[in-house]
Amino acid sequence: GAVVSQHPSWVICKSGTSVKIECRSLDFQATTMFWYRQFPKQSLMLMATSNEGSKATYEQGVEKDKFLINHASLTLSTLTVTSAHPEDSSFYICSAQTSGSSGELFFGEGSRLTVL
Amino acid sequence: DAKTTQPPSMDCAEGRAANLPCNHSTISGNEYVYWYRQIHSQGPQYIIHGLKNNETNEMASLIITEDRKSSTLILPHATLRDTAVYYCIVRVAGGNQGGKLIFGQGTELSVKP
Repeated sequence: GAVVSQHPSWVICKSGTSVKIECRSLDFQATTMFWYRQFPKQSLMLMATSNEGSKATYEQGVEKDKFLINHASLTLSTLTVTSAHPEDSSFYICSAQTSGSSGELFFGEGSRLTVL
Repeated sequence: DAKTTQPPSMDCAEGRAANLPCNHSTISGNEYVYWYRQIHSQGPQYIIHGLKNNETNEMASLIITEDRKSSTLILPHATLRDTAVYYCIVRVAGGNQGGKLIFGQGTELSVKP
């Protein structure tokens, strides 16, 4: 299947700092990418839909000023957690959708954020 | 909200077939049934998807009932490495009309020696 890469795979930061997570589609162009977060022992929760060249669409209850999403190219979307706090500690996962008639979704390996 | 219901957990003996059920009684005509799995601390892995016909690939088989209100994922010869959480999701597929994946709670499959 297609390859989606996330970086960093894990990050530890101090409370109040901002952290950027990158999501790249390595062997295909993705006009649409999705960002999820997952707390321990829970399922994935969709945060936002990122479309190349336009503003992201956020799910209800997700603060767009807190979680900044940029999708500047067909192979890269970034999620920035601004002014991170311990409650933002989570596993963040992106997925990228292939274009064309199939429109399949492939997931990155996830990025584990720990805010001290 | 997720449009599927799955049993929270299942056990399977190594080497035997694992049959994971999923109910999706409100599925729409243009929605496909997708299966993903997630091994601990990794991103979800695509397994298989189908619309109304049964599907098979190198990983699994997908059996969809004629009324499309339920389906079963079959892992023909389960191994210890198949231990994971399995998610059944309904989604509109296809190009720019492709929809987002909304995850339910999934089924935690434990393959035992």
